[in-house]
Amino acid sequence: GEDVEQSLFLSVREGDSSVINCTYTDSSSTYLYWYKQEPGAGLQLLTYIFSNMDMKQDQRLTVLLNKKDKHLSLRIADTQTGDSAIYFCAEMGSSASKIIFGSGTRLSIRP
Amino acid sequence: GAGVSQTPSNKVTEKGKYVELRCDPISGHTALYWYRQSLGQGPEFLIYFQGTGAADDSGLPNDRFFAVRPEGSVSTLKIQRTERGDSAVYLCASSWDRASGANVLTFGAGSRLTVL
Repeated sequence: GEDVEQSLFLSVREGDSSVINCTYTDSSSTYLYWYKQEPGAGLQLLTYIFSNMDMKQDQRLTVLLNKKDKHLSLRIADTQTGDSAIYFCAEMGSSASKIIFGSGTRLSIRP
Repeated sequence: GAGVSQTPSNKVTEKGKYVELRCDPISGHTALYWYRQSLGQGPEFLIYFQGTGAADDSGLPNDRFFAVRPEGSVSTLKIQRTERGDSAVYLCASSWDRASGANVLTFGAGSRLTVL
């Protein structure tokens, strides 16, 4: 079945770039997403990428997709304390009936 | 409404009791999803509605779980004979049209269920 894997933790220094990685198994994925969850808050969409693209940039966020390796990454430039959160990778397959989420990567920022 | 509304925000119940969780999606959104999130985990898919019908209920863990959306708007997730393992945050999300484009989900704040 479909599976999405992420590393559990990432710690970066304020002002550095953060790179959060994700791998998925569904070769028929059509869209891939990054959601952010702050403490006590609901999941919020950060960005998404269509599977026929290999890069998408949105202000401080850059998404890279390697469809051959089924690898997705999210780069956050100039990481700030407000970026502390859990980041979830998710994918929607060709059947489009459900979106599968990874376990999340907790990003912590050190001064 | 302006966002996805879920009630109650917190529910504490005893093992064996019946529980209902309600989701009020964004007005006009035809697709509605239920997920379950346990501590330290990502959202786990439960069921998806397109309009009034359950288009995919493959994530419901067993027959104690049931969900309805009788008028294509508000949905209720029903859990019978609750067990301690049902304790989690139940998330609802809606999107305006699953069939076209990126199917961006808007999530509610969740209903935290604690079974004692």
